[in-house]
Amino acid sequence: QVQLVESGGGVVQPGRSLRLSCAASGFIFSSYGIHWVRQAPGKGLEWVAFIWHDGINKYYADSVKGRFTISRDNSKNTLYLQMNSLRAEDTAVYYCARDGILPPPQVGALDLWGQGTMVTVSS
Amino acid sequence: EIVMTQSPATLSVSPGERVTLSCRASQSLSSNLAWYQQKPGQAPRLLIYGASTRATGIPARFSGSGSGTEYTLTISSLQSEDFAAYYCQQYNYWPPFTFGGGTKVEIK
Repeated sequence: QVQLVESGGGVVQPGRSLRLSCAASGFIFSSYGIHWVRQAPGKGLEWVAFIWHDGINKYYADSVKGRFTISRDNSKNTLYLQMNSLRAEDTAVYYCARDGILPPPQVGALDLWGQGTMVTVSS
Repeated sequence: EIVMTQSPATLSVSPGERVTLSCRASQSLSSNLAWYQQKPGQAPRLLIYGASTRATGIPARFSGSGSGTEYTLTISSLQSEDFAAYYCQQYNYWPPFTFGGGTKVEIK
């Protein structure tokens, strides 16, 4: 079954850290770039970060640059998002999503999404 | 950063009606635009990429058009399962990959 499954969300105090994981199955994980996209409660979608299929190049939204780190382990078919110095405004559902329409190094639309994991930053 | 503006924010329609959603970009996108559908409590689903190509498994009642800075998603005859939020996203100038604010299609 082709899918992405996020985990690692929870409630965390401001200033603390959290690591999210995204486990892929049913496709050749190492052939695809993967994004993190988040959605604050009742709000729209916000792109967070993107990593190339080989993990060499990484890109971040300004709102998380310097605090979040995207990485991947292709041997484990898993994507990560290390989130440090968390703020209340980071509260959101975090989705991982496959950039699967065009072959790398091209980028395209996000054709496969996980179900999301909720992160709540609150004291 | 490319700013994506969707209109209207909310659309009240009856089943069977034709629906047109708009998405405007602050710069030309060369058709590097996607549309997503999101139902409450669910992840987004890709509908359209390349401005007009339907993703796998998407019904023919969904169509995309446009060029330059103006894009449209049309649902030819709205079905009950189509009541949802719709987002456009550009992938022409990145980072960042930017989404529009969304259009919620609700039952009239």
